[in-house]
Amino acid sequence: NAGVTQTPKFQVLKTGQSMTLQCAQDMNHEYMSWYRQDPGMGLRLIHYSVGAGITDQGEVPNGYNVSRSTTEDFPLRLLSAAPSQTSVYFCASSSRGNTEAFFGQGTRLTVV
Amino acid sequence: ILNVEQSPQSLHVQEGDSTNFTCSFPSSNFYALHWYRWETAKSPEALFVMTLNGDEKKKGRISATLNTKEGYSYLYIKGSQPEDSATYLCASNTGNQFYFGTGTSLTVIP
Repeated sequence: NAGVTQTPKFQVLKTGQSMTLQCAQDMNHEYMSWYRQDPGMGLRLIHYSVGAGITDQGEVPNGYNVSRSTTEDFPLRLLSAAPSQTSVYFCASSSRGNTEAFFGQGTRLTVV
Repeated sequence: ILNVEQSPQSLHVQEGDSTNFTCSFPSSNFYALHWYRWETAKSPEALFVMTLNGDEKKKGRISATLNTKEGYSYLYIKGSQPEDSATYLCASNTGNQFYFGTGTSLTVIP
C-alpha cells in the first residue's frame, strides 16, 4: 500500500516564488492535514480538511492555501514564499480524529 | 490552540534501563490522545491512540496510560534497547485538529 505520498522531498525556492506541495492518500481517509516542523516547535498545524470540499485553518495558516477537491488529494500552496517558510512540511491523514494518523515522508523546503 | 507539553525534552538511558515520560494536555474538550514514535529522517509512526480515562495500552515493551480528568498520559519503555532511540511525540485531538507536543528525544546507550 502506498499510504500517504508527499512530493517533492526537497525544494529550494526564491523569495516571492509560489509552489504547490502535493499530498495524496489511498486509504479513503476523511481527515487530511498539513504540518510544519521547526526546531524546538514540534509539529504545528497549518490547514486541515475533514472531507472533500471542506477545509479549515490550523494554528499557522498565513501564507498558505489548501483545497480538497477529492478525498485522495490535499495540496498545499505557498502563495509567495518567504524565508520564514523554510521548514519541513508533513502531510497526514486519518479516518477520524480518534484513529491513528499516517504521515507522508516530509518535504524539506528552503526559501532563500 | 491547545497547549500540549511533554517532559523531559531529552533523555539518555543505558541499554536495559526502563524509562518513562509525560504528556500533559488540557482536560477540557478532550477527544483522543495519540502517541507517535519518530525516528530521524523518517515520518512519525503511531504507537497508541487512547480515548477513555484509565486506558492502558501495550505494544511489546512499550505501554501507555491515560488520565483525562487531570490531563496527562505516561509512556513507559521497559528494558530500553538502542533501537528504541527516537523522538516520542504525543498529540491531543479535539475531534478535528491534532495538537502536538514538542516531543521527548530518547537516546539509549549500548
